[in-house]
Amino acid sequence: ETGVTQSPTHLIKTRGQQVTLRCSSQSGHNTVSWYQQALGQGPQFIFQYYREEENGRGNFPPRFSGLQFPNYSSELNVNALELDDSALYLCASSLYRGISYEQYFGPGTRLTVT
Amino acid sequence: AQTVTQSQPEMSVQEAETVTLSCTYDTSESDYYLFWYKQPPSRQMILVIRQEAYKQQNATENRFSVNFQKAAKSFSLKISDSQLGDAAMYFCAYRSATINNDMRFGAGTRLTVKP
Repeated sequence: ETGVTQSPTHLIKTRGQQVTLRCSSQSGHNTVSWYQQALGQGPQFIFQYYREEENGRGNFPPRFSGLQFPNYSSELNVNALELDDSALYLCASSLYRGISYEQYFGPGTRLTVT
Repeated sequence: AQTVTQSQPEMSVQEAETVTLSCTYDTSESDYYLFWYKQPPSRQMILVIRQEAYKQQNATENRFSVNFQKAAKSFSLKISDSQLGDAAMYFCAYRSATINNDMRFGAGTRLTVKP
């Protein structure tokens, strides 16, 4: 069974640029959630994708957008990067079976905006 | 909105001893899930234990157990026979059983295990 993977591991971007982060879900999972974890804080929910549709969104501006592909992998896109976007970005995959499901996290992508 | 509070930024325990990490949460919902996650320096979040709010029995996973007090909105994690590998950040998390699918995390507790 393949776990959740994310790429790249680290990334440095300049303010105003755009970035795309990638997540491959665990085999058999159909749902991906994205979280932003600022230094010294707990993760904050960005959004979730289920069967290629957005299925819930946290308090993040529209410049944070995502995609889910037919193989259930996912991308997180951030436009017009700001310094405060510097954080660890985590994705978590799960098998959505109604209400109860477990989330399995990837190792994260560390984004630094200068 | 649901909030999760971890009042202990750092905790320390001697190897082989027991430590309890605290978590409180605020919600108006009756049906929800609570979790403890461990995040070692490798950064990958690992699920330690989960508790369904409708279950009165406290969850247990080997050396890890919880004290779930629904009325007090308290969800503490007890680690028995602490091991060096238990050293990590521990996050308490809340998820509604009915809406929005997001998970709310506390700010975390850094656990140090002394040999």
